[in-house]
Amino acid sequence: DGGITQSPKYLFRKEGQNVTLSCEQNLNHDAMYWYRQDPGQGLRLIYYSQIVNDFQKGDIAEGYSVSREKKESFPLTVTSAQKNPTAFYLCASSIRGEGNTEAFFGQGTRLTVV
Amino acid sequence: DQQVKQNSPSLSVQEGRISILNCDYTNSMFDYFLWYKKYPAEGPTFLISISSIKDKNEDGRFTVFLNKSAKHLSLHIVPSQPGDSAVYFCAASAYGGATNKLIFGTGTLLAVQP
Repeated sequence: DGGITQSPKYLFRKEGQNVTLSCEQNLNHDAMYWYRQDPGQGLRLIYYSQIVNDFQKGDIAEGYSVSREKKESFPLTVTSAQKNPTAFYLCASSIRGEGNTEAFFGQGTRLTVV
Repeated sequence: DQQVKQNSPSLSVQEGRISILNCDYTNSMFDYFLWYKKYPAEGPTFLISISSIKDKNEDGRFTVFLNKSAKHLSLHIVPSQPGDSAVYFCAASAYGGATNKLIFGTGTLLAVQP
């Protein structure tokens, strides 16, 4: 089955700890994205990558870091510098980063800081 | 400043009737618009899109209308089915639909009553 897999589905973190969210896709897509969803708000772009070994900041990148060492994988690290990390995180991919291309989303990871 | 607005947080419709979900935008440079559907604790799935050179696009029960002069688009679902109950996000882009440039609305929760 082709698709995007995010893990874990639920994650609890203590304040001051870094935590890494996994995102893997087997769609052979070049572009991958991380979004954050908060109650009453639309999806906001954290980071995106259009090609391996390259990534760009989105609208709310502060307190987050990413890597893109493999085409299939785009992990997101939520660092202790992120002031309000509790949210629903969505990973997505598309064939390419430009033009009219549909994005495919994973099922999301709900992160809660305790 | 919210560039894409979905002013109705929720909508309730009877099965078999028409559902109309609305979206307003402020940026006249937007040239591509998309609708995504999202079930709880899942990632959004692409539903339908429209380019600014068109004023209507139809796909089965789903039709999107674009009124550029009013900076308004709407999604019509006819006939509505209980399985359509979900959150619907409107998204817009000024770069031909490039996913890294999408601006999402806050979503409208549609409930289709049997």
